[in-house]
Amino acid sequence: DVQLVESGGGLVQPGGSLRLSCEASDFIFSAYAMHWVRQAPGKGLQYVSGISGNGRNIYYADSVRGRFIISRDNSKNTVFLQVSSLRPGDTALYYCVKDDYHDSSGQSYYNGLDVWGQGTSVTV
Amino acid sequence: QAVVTQEPSLTVSPGGTVTLTCGSSTGDVTSGHYPYWFQQKPGLAPRTLIYHTNNKHFWTPARFSGSLLGGKAALTLSGAQPEDEAEYYCLLSYPEGRVLFGGGTKLTVL
Repeated sequence: DVQLVESGGGLVQPGGSLRLSCEASDFIFSAYAMHWVRQAPGKGLQYVSGISGNGRNIYYADSVRGRFIISRDNSKNTVFLQVSSLRPGDTALYYCVKDDYHDSSGQSYYNGLDVWGQGTSVTV
Repeated sequence: QAVVTQEPSLTVSPGGTVTLTCGSSTGDVTSGHYPYWFQQKPGLAPRTLIYHTNNKHFWTPARFSGSLLGGKAALTLSGAQPEDEAEYYCLLSYPEGRVLFGGGTKLTVL
């Protein structure tokens, strides 16, 4: 079964930074875009960022562009989200999500959302 | 910026049928928005139920179906079970890669 395991969350002061990680297993990692979606306490879901399989194409939601950086290491089957200049409004559970399209070209940063991890909590 | 709208809450009787909808402030929802539906139970991660308007994953119970209805994406639950009580979110894709969730529908089976 596909597994996504997030880590790196924690309690941080406003203006601080964290590096979230998501280790994936049981699928050809480099052939799938990967995504981060967040959920503030008691609130709905917000799409944060996506990265193509080859790591060259990236999308950020307006609310995080310029503060968050998504990246991936295909040799380690891991996707990262560097979250910086954190604000209280960034407090949320951050989910790692696998794309649902096997993209042999590795170029597309979004096709759809498939399997979700359990999330890692960020409190600012 | 576009806003994706869902009913805040709905109630269905056990064994009954209910339809949840997903609208867009920019106009009719079409297959080109590639609608998705997700189910989230308290304390758990979301689970993808429906992709690209009406396609199911192998784990999606047969009683759930997706469609386009009256200019909106729709999720219909036929034969509701107590375990279907959850929050349901839709997701739409827009030009320039923008991806937006609806605010969610809290479904009560009562």
